[in-house]
Amino acid sequence: GAGVSQTPSNKVTEKGKYVELRCDPISGHTALYWYRQSLGQGPEFLIYFQGTGAADDSGLPNDRFFAVRPEGSVSTLKIQRTERGDSAVYLCASSSREGNTIYFGEGSWLTVV
Amino acid sequence: KQEVTQIPAALSVPEGENLVLNCSFTDSAIYNLQWFRQDPGKGLTSLLLIQSSQREQTSGRLNASLDKSSGRSTLYIAASQPGDSATYLCAVPFSGGYNKLIFGAGTRLAVHP
Repeated sequence: GAGVSQTPSNKVTEKGKYVELRCDPISGHTALYWYRQSLGQGPEFLIYFQGTGAADDSGLPNDRFFAVRPEGSVSTLKIQRTERGDSAVYLCASSSREGNTIYFGEGSWLTVV
Repeated sequence: KQEVTQIPAALSVPEGENLVLNCSFTDSAIYNLQWFRQDPGKGLTSLLLIQSSQREQTSGRLNASLDKSSGRSTLYIAASQPGDSATYLCAVPFSGGYNKLIFGAGTRLAVHP
């Protein structure tokens, strides 16, 4: 596609529910990143994929968070047993390979009530 | 542990002024430094990337400088316009990763006519 696409753009869920956030990177980009941005803060790194594998998941805050990229293109960030503190904008980004210009999507705004 | 700080947190100026946004980082052993722009409710757009061996980069009315030894970078915006209103963030890579980035909290810029 023309840019990084993220769905849904907004998600409101109840505490304790499970959510999935989807990222469709720029076609041909092998590197894919997830970041989380809280209000008034800069984005924080969550996880990095090179192809299908998670090359670095050191930013995932706990085991309620998990991400997959089974075919090396679309990625899904999964959050189990959501908590109010998970409320944030989840940003996805991609690059043609690690080290090249990074392109961000518009984000998925998650609100846990 | 690398920390990135941006000053000021917010700035409001009349159209036409020349501006300087500041970014500081605690660990000078960086590969590069990037400046991003974020419009409200949108993703991030990379503006300028300065490699560690460079002192500055220019794009149109934007000029970014890097002083690794002092742990500082500045983004200079010449002849500001209302369309420049946005949040500007700087970011440096975690050790060993170009796009695994540590961001500052950003400077929210408002340029009024």
